[in-house]
Amino acid sequence: ETGVTQTPRHLVMGMTNKKSLKCEQHLGHNAMYWYKQSAKKPLELMFVYSLEERVENNSVPSRFSPECPNSSHLFLHLHTLQPEDSALYLCASSQDPQGGNTIYFGEGSWLTVV
Amino acid sequence: EDKVVQSPLSLVVHEGDTVTLNCSYEVTNFRSLLWYKQEKKAPTFLFMLTSSGIEKKSGRLSSILDKKELFSILNITATQTGDSAVYLCAVTSGSARQLTFGSGTQLTVLP
Repeated sequence: ETGVTQTPRHLVMGMTNKKSLKCEQHLGHNAMYWYKQSAKKPLELMFVYSLEERVENNSVPSRFSPECPNSSHLFLHLHTLQPEDSALYLCASSQDPQGGNTIYFGEGSWLTVV
Repeated sequence: EDKVVQSPLSLVVHEGDTVTLNCSYEVTNFRSLLWYKQEKKAPTFLFMLTSSGIEKKSGRLSSILDKKELFSILNITATQTGDSAVYLCAVTSGSARQLTFGSGTQLTVLP
């Protein structure tokens, strides 16, 4: 139990489907993140929300659409994905930092695009 | 562009051995360096280092940061098969919302 919960844990979707990944944090943090972990690549930061406002968007294709309705919940909406989008998607949270912060990760959602 | 480089990329040892994993970085406005252990699921936090020369220890694991030479090491003594994992080094910089990861060191501990 990490304090950051992601659902679903596994998702298989076709390229024409629309699905969403959900993340909930129970740590009282006010910053949330989506990361992508592909095989044999460093972890890639996708989006950062601080106080429910998107503050980072690292050149992520528009087929990924984040939503942060409140400081405890974060969604990643997926549509018309490509097979190369298959990866582990990690949600994380932290206390909005000035100075070194510790980021806590969820267990990830394994996405396979067929 | 911020950069974090880990070495070696992979390492195979036998139980009982001691290993040293390396992480060097080039970032603008360094804030902290973090070590994570990643098995089949999400990374789990090990250490956060912000000051040079102060060793952090947790059981058989220890880590130290050198802010002058821009690197950190993670030591694992008396390794066990359960230590087999990818060890990730990450650096926070700027506003500290930015977290840059290295590509990890794959450690395999054989019985």
